[in-house]
Amino acid sequence: GEDVEQSLFLSVREGDSSVINCTYTDSSSTYLYWYKQEPGAGLQLLTYIFSNMDMKQDQRLTVLLNKKDKHLSLRIADTQTGDSAIYFCAEPNQAGTALIFGKGTTLSVSS
Amino acid sequence: SQTIHQWPATLVQPVGSPLSLECTVEGTSNPNLYWYRQAAGRGLQLLFYSVGIGQISSEVPQNLSASRPQDRQFILSSKKLLLSDSGFYLCAWGRGEQFFGPGTRLTVL
Repeated sequence: GEDVEQSLFLSVREGDSSVINCTYTDSSSTYLYWYKQEPGAGLQLLTYIFSNMDMKQDQRLTVLLNKKDKHLSLRIADTQTGDSAIYFCAEPNQAGTALIFGKGTTLSVSS
Repeated sequence: SQTIHQWPATLVQPVGSPLSLECTVEGTSNPNLYWYRQAAGRGLQLLFYSVGIGQISSEVPQNLSASRPQDRQFILSSKKLLLSDSGFYLCAWGRGEQFFGPGTRLTVL
């Protein structure tokens, strides 16, 4: 079945890089997404990558896609305390009608 | 630009009472609309989605229902709330990537 998996917690020090990993199941997914959720708020679309790309960089964010292993990662350079949040990986379902979300990775940044 | 609104922001209801949560979208036409629930374990559970007025697909059988009376209005309802209905309810719109509202925190006592 369709499933997206992520590790649940990541703790880093301010200024370090953070790498959040995700595995997905549907190799035909056209886009893969990263969302950020701050406490008590809705999800914010952070970035996405098209499946024919290996890497996408957007300021401090770098997304890496390994289609062979169905592995997606989000790297945050120079992590700040404001980056503390839950990060969700998502892929479209096979019908293309909805997104399937991972359970989210809680990123904790200490100063 | 597009915006999505949800209300109320927080709600405390007794068990057995009815529920109505509303979501409206501005700045787009004929969006796909979604209701999710996020329970204490943080994962997102898709409850309903709609591709047009009056068209509702249910992903999880339960005591909740959804309606789309207008193109940009999506309503989540229940006739009798259960304790297990407590959670954070999120509305989203999109055709591919999804954009989320601010959410409604529902506590059933």
